[in-house]
Amino acid sequence: DADVTQTPRNRITKTGKRIMLECSQTKGHDRMYWYRQDPGLGLRLIYYSFDVKDINKGEISDGYSVSRQAQAKFSLSLESAIPNQTALYFCATSDLRNKNIQYFGAGTRLSVL
Amino acid sequence: AQKITQTQPGMFVQEKEAVTLDCTYDTSDPSYGLFWYKQPSSGEMIFLIYQGSYDQQNATEGRYSLNFQKARKSANLVISASQLGDSAMYFCAMRGSDYKLSFGAGTTVTVRA
Repeated sequence: DADVTQTPRNRITKTGKRIMLECSQTKGHDRMYWYRQDPGLGLRLIYYSFDVKDINKGEISDGYSVSRQAQAKFSLSLESAIPNQTALYFCATSDLRNKNIQYFGAGTRLSVL
Repeated sequence: AQKITQTQPGMFVQEKEAVTLDCTYDTSDPSYGLFWYKQPSSGEMIFLIYQGSYDQQNATEGRYSLNFQKARKSANLVISASQLGDSAMYFCAMRGSDYKLSFGAGTTVTVRA
């Protein structure tokens, strides 16, 4: 089983719909992150959390919100999806005890029509 | 602000030959980490190798080595004895004192038989 699991793997939705992407991990890491990747580009940080009570905005947080339900779970919500949020979304985890190396889930391909 | 530059959008390499992927970075943080990730066509992000800014020796992981030249602010990835399965997108990333990763735009590597 994957250490960092993202659900769903693929999602097609319509403009204006609310959508939630979920991430769970079995690595026991404290830190969790959400990124988006647009075609031909590197990853950009949306939100990150260093522990359950800590939530921080990344470089492109507008239009997104997150919830850290437990150490192992970090969800990303699009309150009202728009077409330019069509992208590949990644969740990642890390831990200071392991040089803070970030390990990624398999990604969620989101299309907003 | 941190910046990662990968100047090679795409490269071709013959099977069994070595290939070097360029990465330069810019940061004012005295302590930082440098990472390389592989993204095959299936989309997942796979951690390859890590170099800390205070590490005295260049990092190696199997066929991957990181040519770290601190004064030149470069962290090139060398893949030795290329295999067909090495065909993928490769991303250089840097973590600064804020523990967030900044990614380059990536380099596509195509290994020819």
